[in-house]
Amino acid sequence: SQKIEQNSEALNIQEGKTATLTCNYTNYSPAYLQWYRQDPGRGPVFLLLIRENEKEKRKERLKVTFDTTLKQSLFHITASQPADSATYLCALGSGNTGKLIFGQGTTLQVKP
Amino acid sequence: DGGITQSPKYLFRKEGQNVTLSCEQNLNHDAMYWYRQDPGQGLRLIYYSQIVNDFQKGDIAEGYSVSREKKESFPLTVTSAQKNPTAFYLCASSTGNPGSYNEQFFGPGTRLTVL
Repeated sequence: SQKIEQNSEALNIQEGKTATLTCNYTNYSPAYLQWYRQDPGRGPVFLLLIRENEKEKRKERLKVTFDTTLKQSLFHITASQPADSATYLCALGSGNTGKLIFGQGTTLQVKP
Repeated sequence: DGGITQSPKYLFRKEGQNVTLSCEQNLNHDAMYWYRQDPGQGLRLIYYSQIVNDFQKGDIAEGYSVSREKKESFPLTVTSAQKNPTAFYLCASSTGNPGSYNEQFFGPGTRLTVL
């Protein structure tokens, strides 16, 4: 069955450092991958999308890579700030229906 | 303001009762989705609708029902057949254009607790 895995342990880093979050998947060939941010008790907010034929995408301090051979995406936040503290979800889609399969999320804590 | 709203924010239900969660969007989106989120877990798809008067089961549809009579509205009913309904419920919408890799816009969620 399709499976998505994100680091279940919280990631704690110091302000100013680069945070790197991992999303691995099996038994799936996604057409695209999305990353969302979720704050406690709130709905997720879309951050970035990367397509299967793209290796890397950037948006301000965010960078996403997508390796369909390794079946892995990496999500980087450079110059991290305490305000970046949240849970980050990756989601895979196959295109036609708009349906997404979500990972369980990784909680990031940036300490000042 | 354009957006997606859910009500109520908190909902308490006695065992054996049906309860309906509201989801409304004014984004003119065709597609709408209902997810359930349990602690430490990702979002699991309950039902989705790509167009008015049509909807499909997601991965965990048992014990739930939906309707899509209007483009703006996609209410979810949690029936007494749902064995473990206590969870955080999220509604989302997207433009629904096939193959366009649509981002999903989420509502603020409804936290349902069964007493």
